[in-house]
Amino acid sequence: AIQMTQSPSSLSASVGDRVTITCRASQAIRSDLGWYQQKPGKAPNLLIYGTSTLQSGVPSRFSGSGSGTEFTLTISSLQPEDFATYYCLQDYNYPRTFGQGTTVEVK
Amino acid sequence: EVQLVESGGGLALPGGSLRLSCVVSGFSFSNYWMAWVRQAPGQGPEWVANIKGDGSKESYLDSVKGRFTISRDNAKNSLYLELNSLRAEDTAVYYCARDANYQDNRIYYDVYDIWGPGTKVTVS
Repeated sequence: AIQMTQSPSSLSASVGDRVTITCRASQAIRSDLGWYQQKPGKAPNLLIYGTSTLQSGVPSRFSGSGSGTEFTLTISSLQPEDFATYYCLQDYNYPRTFGQGTTVEVK
Repeated sequence: EVQLVESGGGLALPGGSLRLSCVVSGFSFSNYWMAWVRQAPGQGPEWVANIKGDGSKESYLDSVKGRFTISRDNAKNSLYLELNSLRAEDTAVYYCARDANYQDNRIYYDVYDIWGPGTKVTVS
């Protein structure tokens, strides 16, 4: 199975900060990478698919980049509703695998 | 309104069984692959299984192969997950999710775009 490794596992930030989360795949996965946001007690929510395409309704402060084995999720100006845990997910092959998550906390 | 609602979770003994259900509304169920994703306490999500819209193809996580069975009844807009030979490590919230193909620049990507609220399974 492809291993997805996220870094950092957590970070502290303030409203208005630029936040960057990295996801590395154990083998090349083309651009078959999505990002999900999860808030406590809720199901994950799709933010980005195909590495960089925003899901409908997702604010433009979210962006994704990368290819092959290294991918990045960036929040350009952190908003109060963005404090959550973020997961990458590869859809290159089965089994689908998630990263272990990055929790964005209030500084 | 698009909605997925899981049920059937609960407490089971090691070696026991449970049957999870997910009732879907608001979209053409038979046109979509569907998936089960679980999340153990304090852990990230883990993909468990998926099934094609007509039920003709399934895939499973290796650790559940032979113990779990995914199925669907398109006439009832329902997805199921049969859990047998349960282990403590199967303890998790189980989510059903719509497994959709999104196109971008003529490339298709597999996404989980609609999720249920989850049903909790405890094996102890």
